[in-house]
Amino acid sequence: QLQLQESGPGLVKPSETLSLTCTVSGGSISSSSYYWGWIRQPPGKGLEWIGSIYYSGSTYYNPSLKSRVTISVDTSKNQFSLKLSSVTAADTAVYYCASDPVAVNLGVDYWGQGTLVTVSS
Amino acid sequence: DIQMTQSPSSLSASVGDRVTITCRASQSISSYLNWYQQKPGKAPKLLIYAASSLQSGVPSRFSGSGSGTDFTLTISSLQPEDFATYYCQQSYSTPRTFGQGTRLEIK
Repeated sequence: QLQLQESGPGLVKPSETLSLTCTVSGGSISSSSYYWGWIRQPPGKGLEWIGSIYYSGSTYYNPSLKSRVTISVDTSKNQFSLKLSSVTAADTAVYYCASDPVAVNLGVDYWGQGTLVTVSS
Repeated sequence: DIQMTQSPSSLSASVGDRVTITCRASQSISSYLNWYQQKPGKAPKLLIYAASSLQSGVPSRFSGSGSGTDFTLTISSLQPEDFATYYCQQSYSTPRTFGQGTRLEIK
């Protein structure tokens, strides 16, 4: 049973870079079955996929955020990370890390609990 | 990107009612459509994958159907714990995209 846990600052200043890490336990991040993704949800709003990374380092990003997003993986620590640059108040959201199955006929079955990141001076 | 549109955006219903939520994709996604339930302060929970397959542990009152561009989630007899927000999501292509959500409220 996979478990995912987000960690990182809960408050980021405007124009700075948001950095979060997701630690995967109960399985290997080097599994061939999953990409590892970041999804966010502004307060009171819907879900937005930010991007995903495979253990090899292959990534895909949401085009709307691509210019500001970097997702990386550290297989030695069983972790993957999100960096979002030049943040504004619109980036205030609960950020979830999640498993993103390679098989397109499967849904996201493992989620972190989510972490609220507020962008404010 | 593939756009996902859900209807209705909100819905009021009573315990025991049969409820249907629809999701439309901006292009064909075959059967690569998933449904999630989200309760306040919690991560989404996978209910249905591949349009009609019930995730393990999910009650059988939940069902899904559809293919191509049009999909439905049906709850056959609403229970108190079903009042939540429901999202569809396509896994046909990247980036994955979600519908805007349907909030199911108690009448």
